[in-house]
Amino acid sequence: DVKVTQSSRYLVKRTGEKVFLECVQDMDHENMFWYRQDPGLGLRLIYFSYDVKMKEKGDIPEGYSVSREKKERFSLILESTSTNQTSMYLCASSTPDRGPIWDLGETQYFGPGTRLLVL
Amino acid sequence: QQQVKQSPQSLIVQKGGIPIINCAYENTAFDYFPWYQQFPGKGPALLIAIRPDVSEKKEGRFTISFNKSAKQFSLHIMDSQPGDSATYFCAASIVNSGYSTLTFGKGTMLLVSP
Repeated sequence: DVKVTQSSRYLVKRTGEKVFLECVQDMDHENMFWYRQDPGLGLRLIYFSYDVKMKEKGDIPEGYSVSREKKERFSLILESTSTNQTSMYLCASSTPDRGPIWDLGETQYFGPGTRLLVL
Repeated sequence: QQQVKQSPQSLIVQKGGIPIINCAYENTAFDYFPWYQQFPGKGPALLIAIRPDVSEKKEGRFTISFNKSAKQFSLHIMDSQPGDSATYFCAASIVNSGYSTLTFGKGTMLLVSP
């Protein structure tokens, strides 16, 4: 089974603090993603990476940065947190390699999420 | 610009009912349409997916209906059970040989009452 783990389930930070959210996957997947999930807004892509040291901006990259030094690990960095970054953060991984014939596209496997509260 | 519109935002059905969740997309280049299911405290997980060369796909009690000309697709849950209570997300992407990103709808919270 694919396993995607996230370093924390819950975090409480004060405005202006720096936050590292770490994600680790154990399936040797090439692609990794960071989303934030907010009620009524669904999942919005922050950044993704298709290879070590490679990163691409998603739909809402402002206020975030990422790091991928190893294939299995993808970190989301909030340099100076603000209250509007209070959210659920979800990490996912995928591979472009097609598996069984029923695998019609690139399945993303999600971690359990980190709920961040910024006070 | 919201590329995948999902409705309704929430839905309550009785056990045994058939909830239907609808999605509409704008980008005709999309060629992969998955549905993800998310239980409270968990990350989303792939439930079922379809490519636009077929109009329907069934997996157990879950069915996707796809209308390419209308750029719409929907999820039907037959004989719904309380254990189906979850948030459902439709999504769309363009399949290519490298990487692909998913564009998600805003989600539908489904409650199946006993």
